Amino acid sequence: DVKVTQSSRYLVKRTGEKVFLECVQDMDHENMFWYRQDPGLGLRLIYFSYDVKMKEKGDIPEGYSVSREKKERFSLILESASTNQTSMYLCASSLAGGTGELFFGEGSRLTVL
Amino acid sequence: QKEVEQNSGPLSVPEGAIASLNCTYSDRGSQSFFWYRQYSGKSPELIMFIYSNGDKEDGRFTAQLNKASQYVSLLIRDSQPSDSATYLCAYTGANSKLTFGKGITLSVRP
Repeated sequence: DVKVTQSSRYLVKRTGEKVFLECVQDMDHENMFWYRQDPGLGLRLIYFSYDVKMKEKGDIPEGYSVSREKKERFSLILESASTNQTSMYLCASSLAGGTGELFFGEGSRLTVL
Repeated sequence: QKEVEQNSGPLSVPEGAIASLNCTYSDRGSQSFFWYRQYSGKSPELIMFIYSNGDKEDGRFTAQLNKASQYVSLLIRDSQPSDSATYLCAYTGANSKLTFGKGITLSVRP
């Protein structure tokens, strides 16, 4: 069964802290994505990656960075967390050349105080 | 700005009725179209995808695509309370990046 695992379901951080959100997939997918989901705003793409050590900015990359050192792992980094980054973060993966179906992790709810 | 617009909700239908969910998109280069369902507190899951103009049926679900008019819809026949969820329309362009609409919440009344 396909699986995308996000390391933390719930996090509470303070303003200015550095935050790491980890995502691992076991499907050997080439593509990996980070979205945030906010009420009334839907799913918005932060960053995505088509291959190891490769990254592309999504629609809202400001305040975020990513790392993909291994094919199965895609990390989202908040260098200095701010209250407006309080959100649900969803990681997803897909197969290159496939149907385009995204497989999502369970999400990480981040609260920045 | 490439966008996906979904008809405003929430949508409430009685059990057994047909629920019609609509979506328009602005990118004429869009290639593939998806409907995801998201239960409250859960992650989105794919229920239908469609590439070609026309209808695609899967059980109680029918996706309809009209590229000339730039809309895609989802019909749910014989709606059940278990269909109550938020439905997200999405499309991919040439770079496989998926762009989502804001979603519409469907409530099926027993």
